[in-house]
Order: sequence, then structure tokens, then C-alpha cells
Amino acid sequence: NAGVTQTPKFRVLKTGQSMTLLCAQDMNHEYMYWYRQDPGMGLRLIHYSVGEGTTAKGEVPDGYNVSRLKKQNFLLGLESAAPSQTSVYFCASSYSRTLNYGYTFGSGTRLTVV
Amino acid sequence: AQKITQTQPGMFVQEKEAVTLDCTYDTSDQSYGLFWYKQPSSGEMIFLIYQGSYDEQNATEGRYSLNFQKARKSANLVISASQLGDSAMYFCAMRGNTGGFKTIFGAGTRLFVKA
Repeated sequence: NAGVTQTPKFRVLKTGQSMTLLCAQDMNHEYMYWYRQDPGMGLRLIHYSVGEGTTAKGEVPDGYNVSRLKKQNFLLGLESAAPSQTSVYFCASSYSRTLNYGYTFGSGTRLTVV
Repeated sequence: AQKITQTQPGMFVQEKEAVTLDCTYDTSDQSYGLFWYKQPSSGEMIFLIYQGSYDEQNATEGRYSLNFQKARKSANLVISASQLGDSAMYFCAMRGNTGGFKTIFGAGTRLFVKA
């Protein structure tokens, strides 16, 4: 019962480098989300997807791109990393659009941009 | 716009005592859900409790209860009989029925349980 798996768990990038964070879920969830967590700011939504082939912007989308080519995978890309993107990134998924369904979270990716 | 406010950056509680973590929210959605998540020092996010906006009774899950006051737009988490393992960051969150059913989170409250 893997749930939501994020890779990698840790990464250090140099400014200007690119990378892709992978989120994979094996629960057949329709909805997937990418959040970033910064001290004192809680979790802020970057992008989300309501189904395979769909993506939408969240609260802080600038500097990130996403793709959901397969239902089980949600990729977050950083084309040109900046120190401001140093953060902990969480992927989450949800089966239902009903409001009483909480998220299942991945274990997070700690990204440092130097 | 939707907003979640947690005004207590840090809280201390004595072991075995009860503690209330405050949460207020703002939304224009008629129907919404309120959640509390726990994040221990290991970093994972753990779902604790849910309250629907049309639920007449306050939600309870073991030692956790949610004190829901709709008119005041508050959804406080009450932890009874605190344990050392309750030391963690706690996030209040809200999910509305528009815009992809996404969830917004408050800034969090760090709870310290003293032995």
C-alpha cells in the first residue's frame, strides 16, 4: 500500500538548473495537487489537476510547470531554479470531489537552490 | 477569496491536559469542509479530523474534537489528555466546492507538550 510516492526526497540545485519532481499514486485518485511549504506560511498551492490530461494554476504557479499525462502521475517541473524556490514540496491526491474527503500526502521533497 | 487564519504560532501544554488550537476561516462558498492535519517532526502530513459546513454536531475522532462555530467562522481543534507524541505542527485547512475542490491551509500552530 504505497499511497503517494514522491521522488526525489532531497535535492540540491544550482541557480538556473532545471529539474522534475515526480508524484505517483496507486489509489486511482482523480485529483492531484502540488504544494510548497515554507516556514510561517503553511502550505501554498502551486498547481493542481482534476483528472488525466488536465492542469490548473494554484496560488503560487510562477516558475513551475506541471503535467498529468497519466492518471497516476503528476509531474512538477522547475525550468530555471531560483533560490526563492528553496522549499519543501508536497504532493497530495484525493479520490472524490466530495468535501469530506481529506488528502493523502506524499512524504515531501526538500529542495535547496544555491 | 478563501482564507484560513491560525493566530497562535506556538503553544505549550502540560502532558495530560487539554489544549485548544484556534482557527478562523473566510469563504464565499455555501458548502465547504474544514480539516485539521498534523505534521510531526518527521515531516509527513497526517489527516486528523473533518467537519462539514452543514454538520450540526461537532466532529470527534478519539482525543480530537473540532469546535465548530459557523456564525463566528471558527473551527478550533481541541486535543484532550495531551500526550508527548502530540508535539507537532498542526494545520487548519478548508476545502470549498468550487475551483477544483482545492484545499487551502493556515500557517500552522506548533504545539509543545511538556512532561
